[in-house]
Amino acid sequence: GAGVSQSPRYKVAKRGQDVALRCDPISGHVSLFWYQQALGQGPEFLTYFQNEAQLDKSGLPSDRFFAERPEGSVSTLKIQRTQQEDSAVYLCASSLDETGLGYTFGSGTRLTVV
Amino acid sequence: AQTVTQSQPEMSVQEAETVTLSCTYDTSESDYYLFWYKQPPSRQMILVIRQEAYKQQNATENRFSVNFQKAAKSFSLKISDSQLGDAAMYFCAYRTLFSGGYNKLIFGAGTRLAVHP
Repeated sequence: GAGVSQSPRYKVAKRGQDVALRCDPISGHVSLFWYQQALGQGPEFLTYFQNEAQLDKSGLPSDRFFAERPEGSVSTLKIQRTQQEDSAVYLCASSLDETGLGYTFGSGTRLTVV
Repeated sequence: AQTVTQSQPEMSVQEAETVTLSCTYDTSESDYYLFWYKQPPSRQMILVIRQEAYKQQNATENRFSVNFQKAAKSFSLKISDSQLGDAAMYFCAYRTLFSGGYNKLIFGAGTRLAVHP
């Protein structure tokens, strides 16, 4: 596609519910990143994929967070047993090569846990 | 660990005037990239300008320019002839030069820029 597509745009989850956030990167982009942006803050790195390989997951805040990119294209960020502190905008970005220099960001998913 | 600090939570400017947004960073690396991103209400982060630390010349993109002071670890963004469409959150970001799977961006907390007609 022309840009990075994320869905849903908004998600409201009850505390304890599992959620899945989808990122559809630009076709052919090798690198894919997930960031978490709390209200009034800058984005913080969660995880990085190079094709289907998850090379860095050091930013995932707990074992309730899981990301996958099984075929090297679409990626899903899953959060199990959501907590209020998980409320944030989740941004996905992709890049054509492994250097990750030319990021293109999606518009994010705003997750609200009630 | 690298850190990025934006000390101005909010700034305002009159249309057609010039405004400067501040950013400082901390790193022990000698080579890296610095970025300014714009985030409008649509939430999509848009690259405004990029600076390679090994380049002494300050980057310029149309009305946007930077003042890169490597020794002071300062990277400010100047917006000239401000337009209503410049109103947004602006984030300063750092990235290490060498990728090895660890090429994440480190962001500051952002500065909200208001543009008044």
